[in-house]
Amino acid sequence: EIVLTQSPGILSLSLGERATLSCRVNQRIDSIYLAWYQQRPGQAPRLLIHGASTRATGIPDNFSGSGSGTDFTLTISRLEPEDFAVYYCQQYMYLPGTFGGGTKVEIK
Amino acid sequence: EVQLLESGGGLVQPGGSLRVSCAASGFIFKNCVMGWVRQAPGRGLEAVVEISSSGSATYYVDALKGRFIISRDNSENTLYLQMNSLTVEDTALYFCAKKSETSSWYEPFDTWGQGTLVTVSS
Repeated sequence: EIVLTQSPGILSLSLGERATLSCRVNQRIDSIYLAWYQQRPGQAPRLLIHGASTRATGIPDNFSGSGSGTDFTLTISRLEPEDFAVYYCQQYMYLPGTFGGGTKVEIK
Repeated sequence: EVQLLESGGGLVQPGGSLRVSCAASGFIFKNCVMGWVRQAPGRGLEAVVEISSSGSATYYVDALKGRFIISRDNSENTLYLQMNSLTVEDTALYFCAKKSETSSWYEPFDTWGQGTLVTVSS
């Protein structure tokens, strides 16, 4: 079973700060099969990053993804009010694609 | 505009069945792998099942295999999820989601519906 572990569970930061979110996979995956989603309260998830580092259409460049193998990172360079949300990583190398438990980015 | 509109959720008793639907518009439905993802209240996203663009192949999460059945009608641009032998643990918001129009399995979900709430309770 492929398991994705996200850390931290909650990240408390101020506007303008940098957020670094981690996603660890329990077995090696090709980075082209790793995505990140944002879910704001009461909304559906939105695709941010696919292929570990490619921004989806319309996603601003303050979001970036990196990593390979078993360790992946989502970075938000400067937090804006609309960035406070829950973020999920997903692998889609093994089907159905499975998700990490999420990281909530909250206002400090 | 790409749209996915789920419907059919509601209150069902434990042991009961329910079928939820997802009406798609704004894209070539028959070219897309589709899936269902659920989210229990206050919890994270949980994969349920994916179906090929033609409907001939499916991938279920092991824990739900045998109780849930995904299907699609490409002539009606509609995705379905038949849920049987429901338990309280199946209470969740059920999202319909699409992949790109390449018919590839190995893509992320690029668009999601708003979800339909299924509540299992006596």
